[in-house]
Amino acid sequence: NAGVTQTPKFQVLKTGQSMTLQCAQDMNHEYMSWYRQDPGMGLRLIHYSVGAGITDQGEVPNGYNVSRSTTEDFPLRLLSAAPSQTSVYFCASSPYHGQGYQPQHFGDGTRLSIL
Amino acid sequence: AQSVTQLGSHVSVSEGALVLLRCNYSSSVPPYLFWYVQYPNQGLQLLLKYTSAATLVKGINGFEAEFKKSETSFHLTKPSAHMSDAAEYFCAVADAGNNRKLIWGLGTSLAVNP
Repeated sequence: NAGVTQTPKFQVLKTGQSMTLQCAQDMNHEYMSWYRQDPGMGLRLIHYSVGAGITDQGEVPNGYNVSRSTTEDFPLRLLSAAPSQTSVYFCASSPYHGQGYQPQHFGDGTRLSIL
Repeated sequence: AQSVTQLGSHVSVSEGALVLLRCNYSSSVPPYLFWYVQYPNQGLQLLLKYTSAATLVKGINGFEAEFKKSETSFHLTKPSAHMSDAAEYFCAVADAGNNRKLIWGLGTSLAVNP
């Protein structure tokens, strides 16, 4: 059971480039989300999804797009990379359990540097 | 608005000593409360959660936390620290009315000395 798989683990981009961070889970979880982690800022929610075809914005959605075409996959797209998007990105998933959605399983993260 | 405060960004204990990581929250409604652990270069793992059942919650790896409404606290404890407990610990609160979103504390780094 792989859990939550994120690719790539490391990436360096130039300002203005675009890229997609991949996230896949094999637990049939309804809820998936993307966070960024920055020193002194804690974790901040970027986008989340409660099921295939349903996405919504979190705290810091600007500059990022998501889609959820399948239950398993939840890619995060950077439209035009900026240095302020240098961060560690985490994908998380959880099942619905009658008490709402909170991230339960996290991937190992993607460390992204924008030059 | 909900908020979470973790007292002490760095805590250091000796192996075998009591671990106490402090978390205070503010919430206008009964909260759901969580503790997560992050080992170096890894993602977060859910340690335990409080969702209005028993006020003393037991989690993985020997950790437990007690919900104290009068003190608006949810402190994490472990009777005897192990070297493998060295990690970053995050407290989070979710409003029961909007529990799709967690409000995160800034984390406490736990060092365990031999």
